[in-house]
Amino acid sequence: SQTIHQWPATLVQPVGSPLSLECTVEGTSNPNLYWYRQAAGRGLQLLFYSVGIGQISSEVPQNLSASRPQDRQFILSSKKLLLSDSGFYLCAWSPSRTEAFFGQGTRLTVV
Amino acid sequence: DAKTTQPTSMDCAEGRAANLPCNHSTISGNEYVYWYRQIHSQGPQYIIHGLKNNETNEMASLIITEDRKSSTLILPHATLRDTAVYYCIVRVPLSSGSARQLTFGSGTQLTVLP
Repeated sequence: SQTIHQWPATLVQPVGSPLSLECTVEGTSNPNLYWYRQAAGRGLQLLFYSVGIGQISSEVPQNLSASRPQDRQFILSSKKLLLSDSGFYLCAWSPSRTEAFFGQGTRLTVV
Repeated sequence: DAKTTQPTSMDCAEGRAANLPCNHSTISGNEYVYWYRQIHSQGPQYIIHGLKNNETNEMASLIITEDRKSSTLILPHATLRDTAVYYCIVRVPLSSGSARQLTFGSGTQLTVLP
């Protein structure tokens, strides 16, 4: 069966520090991978998606970047965090034409 | 994507069936009804989806009205661990090479009472 791992679960970082959140998927190959941020009102905002190694699409301009160095690894990064980057970040994956399955999320607090 | 309307909150006694309604009167012919739930501070969990026929899996049943303007998610024997926010979403399926923004509304806070 397929599983998705996302870490860390919580993170407190100072403003201006770098960020690296990692997500890996097991039990499947060539998944579509997504990074979302969930706002306080529970809406999910798509940040990045990837359909293959090295293929990243950004949905919104922001202080974040994403990379996919391996087929089942998706990384969310920032060189310098802003206060506004605080939030709940979710990694998700989907096979072709079916549902998205989410990781447990990372609660990021920028102080 | 079509908009959905759900009650803000519901209570259910442990062991009883939980019936969560969703209105989606503007649903179009190629849109499916999806249900997710989110336990506090965790990622959303996919439950079930359907187009027009009723669906059942190991987690829940989905009843869609004949006109497809509303649906009901049924948890047949609710447990305390089913306490979560339940989201009803109406949209076309995700397609290969194209990610779609998953718009979660406010959902229904289901509280299962001991």
